[in-house]
Amino acid sequence: GAVVSQHPSWVICKSGTSVKIECRSLDFQATTMFWYRQFPKQSLMLMATSNEGSKATYEQGVEKDKFLINHASLTLSTLTVTSAHPEDSSFYICSARDLWRSAGGSSYNEQFFGPGTRLTVL
Amino acid sequence: AQKITQTQPGMFVQEKEAVTLDCTYDTSDPSYGLFWYKQPSSGEMIFLIYQGSYDQQNATEGRYSLNFQKARKSANLVISASQLGDSAMYFCAMREGLTGTASKLTFGTGTRLQVTL
Repeated sequence: GAVVSQHPSWVICKSGTSVKIECRSLDFQATTMFWYRQFPKQSLMLMATSNEGSKATYEQGVEKDKFLINHASLTLSTLTVTSAHPEDSSFYICSARDLWRSAGGSSYNEQFFGPGTRLTVL
Repeated sequence: AQKITQTQPGMFVQEKEAVTLDCTYDTSDPSYGLFWYKQPSSGEMIFLIYQGSYDQQNATEGRYSLNFQKARKSANLVISASQLGDSAMYFCAMREGLTGTASKLTFGTGTRLQVTL
């Protein structure tokens, strides 16, 4: 259980185009999903928190007009990189928070990661 | 100040030996969770072990154990009987607050572990 998928797993695009990345929780519901970016040999940096049915919360320094997030259902969040440029090339990873495991206020692991999407902008 | 600090950028360990990866954290929230993840070259984040701030005992999961020293704010990962497949990047992370809040994970800079023959 607790499987998260991402699609595509890798994408190459031309500068100026937009790219959409999907994050799906396959066997659980997720009211909250997180989007991270990881540059080579660096740590994961949280970009935004995606909430089902409401606007995403972006971290400081992340352009919300460039990185559009839509969390349309309890199992799907999408990240669209608009007008991509070479500096946007990175590894993008999502995680999904299990609705039922996170209920009740207990303290345990309830966040599950997707396999990541490698974006290369030429 | 860094919330999660991993001071070892790289570590080597011989196969079948044990290795400790260091992690210190900084928070004023009495409720928090500490995580360790393994990231192989494929990029996926593999959850290894979790320790809650109120847990009385150190967490263990198979060959992984977490040496939780709350007063020192450290949460070191111990891997016993290292295997070649353990070679990967290891990240320590913290979630401040209990589940049920919209708390996010903060990651350390990672330690690259190389297991040798």
